[in-house]
Amino acid sequence: GDSVTQTEGQVTVSESKSLIINCTYSATSIGYPNLFWYVRYPGEGLQLLLKVITAGQKGSSRGFEATYNKEATSFHLQKASVQESDSAVYYCAFGTGGYKVVFGSGTRLLVSP
Amino acid sequence: EAGVTQSPRYAVLQEGQAVSFWCDPISGHDTLYWYQQPRDQGPQLLVYFRDEAVIDNSQLPSDRFSAVRPKGTNSTLKIQSAKQGDTATYLCASSSRTGGDAETLYFGSGTRLTVL
Repeated sequence: GDSVTQTEGQVTVSESKSLIINCTYSATSIGYPNLFWYVRYPGEGLQLLLKVITAGQKGSSRGFEATYNKEATSFHLQKASVQESDSAVYYCAFGTGGYKVVFGSGTRLLVSP
Repeated sequence: EAGVTQSPRYAVLQEGQAVSFWCDPISGHDTLYWYQQPRDQGPQLLVYFRDEAVIDNSQLPSDRFSAVRPKGTNSTLKIQSAKQGDTATYLCASSSRTGGDAETLYFGSGTRLTVL
């Protein structure tokens, strides 16, 4: 079946340092899936951070960039310099093409001052 | 524009009791999703609708869970006889096929269910 794997359950990064979160997906039958990063800030609901549509395209939002490697069926979320306000739980997700969206288990980012 | 609205925010039950969750999607959104999110896990799809029709309910525990969206707008998810393993946050999300953005989901704040 369709699934997404986020290997890092929790990541601690010092403020102003760089961040990368990785996801891999397994899809039964799609060519170019819609790939997403969602975020849950403390006390808030789950919200879209950014969307990556095609291989080679870099989505970006709030200083975050997302890239996609179709051959490796992997996608990554990066930020060059994190801030304390980025502390949150980040979820990768992909759309299977039939409007079904599958989520990863989440990566909790703790940014230390 | 109002977002996705869910109620109640919290529910605490004894095993064997029934509970219903209600969701009002963003106006005009034709697709509605229910996800179950256990603590420290990602959202897991239970069921989704296009208008009033169920598109996929294969992950819904059919013996105890049911979901309806009779007029293609609001939706209700019901658990007939809750078990401790149902303890989770239940999230409703909606999306629109307009503009080719059907898989961008907008979430409600969720209902946190605790089954004792």
